[in-house]
Amino acid sequence: QITLKESGPTLVKPTQTLTLTCTFSGFSLGTSAVGVGWIRQPPGKALEWLALIYWDDDKRYSPSLKTRLTITKDTSKNQVVLTMTNMDPVDTATYYCAHSPGAGTTFDYWGQGTLVTVSS
Amino acid sequence: DIQMTQSPSTLSASVGDRVTITCRASQSISSWLAWYQQKAGKAPKLLIYKTSSLEGGVPSRFSGSGSGTEFTLTINSLQPDDFAAYYCQQYNSYPLTFGGGTKVEIK
Repeated sequence: QITLKESGPTLVKPTQTLTLTCTFSGFSLGTSAVGVGWIRQPPGKALEWLALIYWDDDKRYSPSLKTRLTITKDTSKNQVVLTMTNMDPVDTATYYCAHSPGAGTTFDYWGQGTLVTVSS
Repeated sequence: DIQMTQSPSTLSASVGDRVTITCRASQSISSWLAWYQQKAGKAPKLLIYKTSSLEGGVPSRFSGSGSGTEFTLTINSLQPDDFAAYYCQQYNSYPLTFGGGTKVEIK
């Protein structure tokens, strides 16, 4: 059974760096083709893909946010970490991590999401 | 970037209705399209991948079709559990992009 859970601060100040951790079980990021992605959703708005890391450490980023994002994995801990620098109130959103089964990049298992508010 | 445009943004329907949601891509994505259902306060759930393949456990009243730039999600005989938001997502190329969503409301 695949599960994922996001953790991190619920409130950050403008200009601060956000660090979110996705802890998962039921699969290994050492398995060929598997990936973990991050997707966010501002309140009442649509989904926005942020980043994706694959089993072989291939990393993909949203071009509009690439300069602010870093995604890393710790295979031994079953964790993926996303950092986003220079946070702004427009970054207020629910942040989800999700499993990508490979052979394309859909997301078949999602975490419950974590709401991050950016405010001074 | 490939832009994904969904229509309508809101749809009012009754239990038992047949519902169709459209997703248009700004350029061809072949068949690399997925559909998700999202209920209020919950994470999205994958319904359909590669345009028409049903994810395991998804009721057969859901179906998808299309290719290239135009795609549809159809729900036959809408059930109370189907009132939710629906999103399309292309995975033909990076960056991965989602549509703006369609909210299916009770009429």
